[in-house]
Amino acid sequence: AQSVTQLDSQVPVFEEAPVELRCNYSSSVSVYLFWYVQYPNQGLQLLLKYLSGSTLVKGINGFEAEFNKSQTSFHLRKPSVHISDTAEYFCAVTEKGFQKLVFGTGTRLLVSP
Amino acid sequence: ETGVTQTPRHLVMGMTNKKSLKCEQHLGHNAMYWYKQSAKKPLELMFVYSLEERVENNSVPSRFSPECPNSSHLFLHLHTLQPEDSALYLCASSQVGLAGAYEQYFGPGTRLTVT
Repeated sequence: AQSVTQLDSQVPVFEEAPVELRCNYSSSVSVYLFWYVQYPNQGLQLLLKYLSGSTLVKGINGFEAEFNKSQTSFHLRKPSVHISDTAEYFCAVTEKGFQKLVFGTGTRLLVSP
Repeated sequence: ETGVTQTPRHLVMGMTNKKSLKCEQHLGHNAMYWYKQSAKKPLELMFVYSLEERVENNSVPSRFSPECPNSSHLFLHLHTLQPEDSALYLCASSQVGLAGAYEQYFGPGTRLTVT
């Protein structure tokens, strides 16, 4: 069965610093991978996705993620964060041929001045 | 309207009330989902509808009753809820093909409080 682990429940960082949010998954078959962001009192917004092809994917708001099959990871990065990036970030995986996403428990990114 | 919309955005109901949550997707997708998001808990998948047929029901109590009259609309009928049912209820949609489902698009959610 597939699962997603987001090891960091909270990541504090200063504005304009780089950040990496970690995501590891377990699955025995080919997968699709996603990162979502959730601002307070809102739904989840798709940041980026990996379906196939290049392992480095770029998303909205300057975020990017790299798919590493050997390490079963899909870490999210941003070279310089803004206060407005403060939010909850969720990693999700689905196995090809299946209809449901499995979500991680989320990482709260706290950006301070 | 664009994307996925949900109404109402906030709902307070007593344990003996009956209410319904509504979700509408304007993306032409063929699958819709209900999730429950409680504080300090992972996102819980409740129901999946694909091509208007319920394909998954994750052991959700019968006081939650979904309805999908067409591929654009999804309802969650609520009755005799418990205080622990207070949560953010999220609706999502996606396009499902031979290779499975791709990304899901979420609505803003309904914040439900059961008193």
